[in-house]
Amino acid sequence: KQEVTQIPAALSVPEGENLVLNCSFTDSAIYNLQWFRQDPGKGLTSLLLIQSSQREQTSGRLNASLDKSSGRSTLYIAASQPGDSATYLCAVKKGTGNQFYFGTGTSLTVIP
Amino acid sequence: GAGVSQSPSNKVTEKGKDVELRCDPISGHTALYWYRQSLGQGLEFLIYFQGNSAPDKSGLPSDRFSAERTGGSVSTLTIQRTQQEDSAVYLCASSLLGDSRSPLHFGNGTRLTVT
Repeated sequence: KQEVTQIPAALSVPEGENLVLNCSFTDSAIYNLQWFRQDPGKGLTSLLLIQSSQREQTSGRLNASLDKSSGRSTLYIAASQPGDSATYLCAVKKGTGNQFYFGTGTSLTVIP
Repeated sequence: GAGVSQSPSNKVTEKGKDVELRCDPISGHTALYWYRQSLGQGLEFLIYFQGNSAPDKSGLPSDRFSAERTGGSVSTLTIQRTQQEDSAVYLCASSLLGDSRSPLHFGNGTRLTVT
């Protein structure tokens, strides 16, 4: 079974800092990896999706990388803002149409 | 366009009662997923639909849980004889094709509390 781990569980940084969130997975046979943010009481918002053939994806201040061979992905957030405060989750998809396996998330607090 | 819509947003029910949770996916999305999120835990997969068929229902925790999807659109998750351990947020997600290029889009969930 695919295991997805996110470390640290919580992170607090001052506004303006660049930061990296980590996601590791045990089975490298994945179709894609997706990063989400979840605000309190809300569902998950898709941030970036990296297909297995890709190494990275960028959207605005966000950059996600994927290293399948080592079972790792990172989400880089540049120039963090208080509005970035949320829980960030990664999920890997194994096989066509099969379930996504989620990490337990990193709770990010950006201090003004 | 509209996102994934779930109703009700909150449901409080007594132990032993049946509940129905509804999900309206994004129009045209063929793949639909149900997940459960318990306090302090990760998302737990329940069931996956492609069209009206459910090729993967391996995550349903017991035979008290069932789901259906009609018209390739709306899905209903039914929990019979609810138990306190069923209390959680039930999240629905859809994707365009369910392939490697299609991101998941989630609704805001239904918070179920069993008293």
